Amino acid sequence: GAGVSQTPSNKVTEKGKYVELRCDPISGHTALYWYRQSLGQGPEFLIYFQGTGAADDSGLPNDRFFAVRPEGSVSTLKIQRTERGDSAVYLCASSFQHKNIQYFGAGTRLSVL
Amino acid sequence: SQQGEEDPQALSIQEGENATMNCSYKTSINNLQWYRQNSGRGLVHLILIRSNEREKHSGRLRVTLDTSKKSSSLLITASRAADTASYFCATDEDGANNLFFGTGTRLTVIP
Repeated sequence: GAGVSQTPSNKVTEKGKYVELRCDPISGHTALYWYRQSLGQGPEFLIYFQGTGAADDSGLPNDRFFAVRPEGSVSTLKIQRTERGDSAVYLCASSFQHKNIQYFGAGTRLSVL
Repeated sequence: SQQGEEDPQALSIQEGENATMNCSYKTSINNLQWYRQNSGRGLVHLILIRSNEREKHSGRLRVTLDTSKKSSSLLITASRAADTASYFCATDEDGANNLFFGTGTRLTVIP
């Protein structure tokens, strides 16, 4: 497909479990962004990758959150010891270059019970 | 944290009417963008206006930017039921790596 792909689309987990959320950006896009959106709010920034490296992780809420992009394409957002407050839609976006228009995936809706 | 606020929070209009949404932000920006979101999922980019521009058009969309007031408006003319969605403004700040999104306006167009 031509767009940003995120899997799974929905994830239900129990408090304390580990989850991984995957983002497959548009081919050739060097910049990749993760955002988190709570109900009734706008997306909030988590982390930005330029190529393989995390250029800015200032939005990660705590050390339970981690993200990787080992080959400069697919990225995985990892959440350890999930808490009910982590429930949200996690959005991934990519852009051809940093500061270009960002194209968003459909998101993963994470529910922590 | 979120940069901007939008008003109204919700707007309901009849098909064919115009819809106006407003966005206010707090700091200096490089550009301001408007996105649309259906059913709380992926966002679709609509239009970008640079800080040195005052007005921009794209189809039925008209965006204005007033940097002295730190505000922008999105006008959708001749609305359609398919325009029903949430609309977010997002600012690109100098020195920041991410977009800062507003709180959104939920638009309902009644057929």
